Amino acid sequence: DTAVSQTPKYLVTQMGNDKSIKCEQNLGHDTMYWYKQDSKKFLKIMFSYNNKELIINETVPNRFSPKSPDKAHLNLHINSLELGDSAVYFCASARTLVGQGRNTIYFGEGSWLTVV
Amino acid sequence: AQSVTQLDSQVPVFEEAPVELRCNYSSSVSVYLFWYVQYPNQGLQLLLKYLSGSTLVKGINGFEAEFNKSQTSFHLRKPSVHISDTAEYFCAVSDPNAGGTSYGKLTFGQGTILTVHP
Repeated sequence: DTAVSQTPKYLVTQMGNDKSIKCEQNLGHDTMYWYKQDSKKFLKIMFSYNNKELIINETVPNRFSPKSPDKAHLNLHINSLELGDSAVYFCASARTLVGQGRNTIYFGEGSWLTVV
Repeated sequence: AQSVTQLDSQVPVFEEAPVELRCNYSSSVSVYLFWYVQYPNQGLQLLLKYLSGSTLVKGINGFEAEFNKSQTSFHLRKPSVHISDTAEYFCAVSDPNAGGTSYGKLTFGQGTILTVHP
């Protein structure tokens, strides 16, 4: 069973469209993340949610809106897609103990978004 | 602010040869250190992590890394590589004092592509 699963794995869409990427984890973790890997393979955090609450928002444009309906899901919705949004988006999760940053972060397999 | 530098963007090596992938970090505070591997068209998988204690950390697939605080390095090594080790490797750091909910804020290096030739 896949621990962190994302859909779709590949997505090609036109500029201006709105698209969503879904993420689910079955590890019982309480914290979930979205990371972006750009064309130069640079990985950077976008958002993190803990128990459905937004914790980290790393100056991501407002066109990106994460939504966490429950602890096991963190979806990423992107409005008015631009060419520069083409990237690989990774969902991740971790079990977070207050005051301890020791737990491993588990990553999904990535969603390859291409905007044309 | 933390930053990570992976000194080699590509490392070609022959099968069964030893390999070292270099990682240096800069941080004004103590750090947790990680190595992740990304196989082609796949997600990131944790190879190993340093949290505290022994500076030599052993991970999966025969990899190990050594934390050197004075040199602010966390180089990854394997004594004998296989074709299946061909992948991209990422070094990352996090701040252990950032609080539990900030744990996920990993800062990544730009990756090293390891190519193992027969």
